[in-house]
Amino acid sequence: KAGVTQTPRYLIKTRGQQVTLSCSPISGHRSVSWYQQTPGQGLQFLFEYFSETQRNKGNFPGRFSGRQFSNSRSEMNVSTLELGDSALYLCASSPQGTEKLFFGSGTQLSVL
Amino acid sequence: TQLLEQSPQFLSIQEGENLTVYCNSSSVFSSLQWYRQEPGEGPVLLVTVVTGGEVKKLKRLTFQFGDARKDSSLHITAAQPGDTGLYLCAGARSGGYQKVTFGTGTKLQVIP
Repeated sequence: KAGVTQTPRYLIKTRGQQVTLSCSPISGHRSVSWYQQTPGQGLQFLFEYFSETQRNKGNFPGRFSGRQFSNSRSEMNVSTLELGDSALYLCASSPQGTEKLFFGSGTQLSVL
Repeated sequence: TQLLEQSPQFLSIQEGENLTVYCNSSSVFSSLQWYRQEPGEGPVLLVTVVTGGEVKKLKRLTFQFGDARKDSSLHITAAQPGDTGLYLCAGARSGGYQKVTFGTGTKLQVIP
């Protein structure tokens, strides 16, 4: 069974630009969560989607948004990028009925 | 506010030594997970504990959930270089939609 796939692996953007990250969950997993990881703040929860609906949202500004498609694939978008948005963005999928998270390798975003 | 505090933050030990990592919170969790993350990769789930006082063993790793379900510990016996990585505890709350909150992390280096 293929794991969680995140694309792209690395991304370099400049301040003010926007970016879209993609996540394909493990087949059969309908829940997808997104996390931001930085050395200073650790792993911070962004949002969770289940069956195309956002179920939970973390304390991030509205510049961070996401969506989930009918095939459970998910995207997150960050608009008007700031230097502080530089981080590893991790996507995780979960089997229904559990809180176990299966992570992808992440997208390393650098904002210059 | 970080809900889950891990200690120590950094640990550098010689191969063969024993170590314990602690994960503490003032909140009660329905379950607690431990993950290990290697550089450039996403966290990988090691274990989930759900019952207060529960002890689980995974080869040389022993995980314990506190009686009040607010804290946990990870003990590694005879550490090996392959144990090197970032260890993360994560608490999940039941009731409604679950959200998993990650601890501050413990970076372990095992020197051959």
